[in-house]
Amino acid sequence: DGGITQSPKYLFRKEGQNVTLSCEQNLNHDAMYWYRQDPGQGLRLIYYSQIVNDFQKGDIAEGYSVSREKKESFPLTVTSAQKNPTAFYLCASSPDERNEQFFGPGTRLTVL
Amino acid sequence: GENVEQHPSTLSVQEGDSAVIKCTYSDSASNYFPWYKQELGKRPQLIIDIRSNVGEKKDQRIAVTLNKTAKHFSLHITETQPEDSAVYFCAAIISGYALNFGKGTSLLVTP
Repeated sequence: DGGITQSPKYLFRKEGQNVTLSCEQNLNHDAMYWYRQDPGQGLRLIYYSQIVNDFQKGDIAEGYSVSREKKESFPLTVTSAQKNPTAFYLCASSPDERNEQFFGPGTRLTVL
Repeated sequence: GENVEQHPSTLSVQEGDSAVIKCTYSDSASNYFPWYKQELGKRPQLIIDIRSNVGEKKDQRIAVTLNKTAKHFSLHITETQPEDSAVYFCAAIISGYALNFGKGTSLLVTP
């Protein structure tokens, strides 16, 4: 279970608020990813970063933002523009995009 | 559109039987195909993967086969046990940058 962590485990947000989900890894991986998981939808890619100070939009980036100022950290901000943010959010890292991704334990976000 | 399609969405087998999950992908340039297992409330974990230069790979009761011509790959679990019950996801690299996941198969192994 070590190597990639996410916090908090549970997060509650009021409508109209921005929230930031933390993801940290000590695996020395270059690539990091954010996924959203909804029942019956599998894992959908929000953003990914192949290297520090660079990131690309995934399939469902609208209403989300990220930064990659450090190799170890890839925080995700869920903005008020995200229409339906209630979901399970998973962060992952890998040595590069062509190898195994290691997942964090996830953050369950609920909008009240 | 669907870059990776996975079937079936649910699968129920009796303990000791085999289970097969199939996936198809759209990008002929895809060269890495992992399978993840996710137990309820937990993170997905890699159980087996295969690269495009290999047609089959086996690890104890789990095997994966790849048909690049047909652009499909399958997960085979033999001698299933109740602890195999979980959601299984296939994935493939799309456009060379990131993994695209199938929607998952919920496997139930009944004693």
